[in-house]
Amino acid sequence: QTVVTQEPSFSVSPGGTVTLTCGLNSGSVSTSYSPSWYQQTPGQAPRTLIYSTNTRSSGVPDRFSGSILGNKAALTITGAQADDESNYYCLLYMGSGISVFGGGTKLTVL
Amino acid sequence: EVQLLESGGGLVQPGGSLRLSCAASGFTFSTYAMSWVRQAPGKGLEWVSTISSSGGSTYYADSVKGRFTISRDNSKNTLYLQMNSLRVEDTAVYYCANDYAWARRNWGQGTLVTVSS
Repeated sequence: QTVVTQEPSFSVSPGGTVTLTCGLNSGSVSTSYSPSWYQQTPGQAPRTLIYSTNTRSSGVPDRFSGSILGNKAALTITGAQADDESNYYCLLYMGSGISVFGGGTKLTVL
Repeated sequence: EVQLLESGGGLVQPGGSLRLSCAASGFTFSTYAMSWVRQAPGKGLEWVSTISSSGGSTYYADSVKGRFTISRDNSKNTLYLQMNSLRVEDTAVYYCANDYAWARRNWGQGTLVTVSS
């Protein structure tokens, strides 16, 4: 069974840089998995940040960037702000119409 | 402005059925694949199902395959999710989203489905 892995939690200082990753329990993540990233605060609907590995969704500030780092997809937040404190989810396309979310990373800004 | 408005959630007993709807506006509905994503209380996001722009292709997570049916009416700009044989573990907020490049692009606010006796 395919499991998409994310760090359960991460902490960053205001103004700092943090990189969250998205991997597979078996194999490497590449652009062919069309990785996408979502931000969600409790009680709110998710917000799309990044799609197709590194394309920012409309209205997303350029301090959010996506990439492939080694064998994982990555979301980098540069110049973290207090309102970046959220849960972040990655989504990988497995082929044949099937998508799988990672378990999410809770980001704390302090 | 893209708007996605889910409806149809509520309380249902185990084994029961429910049909969710998602009314879309602000984009050309018939040209986008659409998806349902759910989130159980206190848990992460789970992809449920996707339907192609024409409705000719449908895809399901193993957890709902054989019980849920996704469909769409492009003349009404509406997406549906028919949920049968509901289980307690189907309790979640259900979101609809439009798709681009196998990503969920825009999201509705969600509708809560509670399966309980």
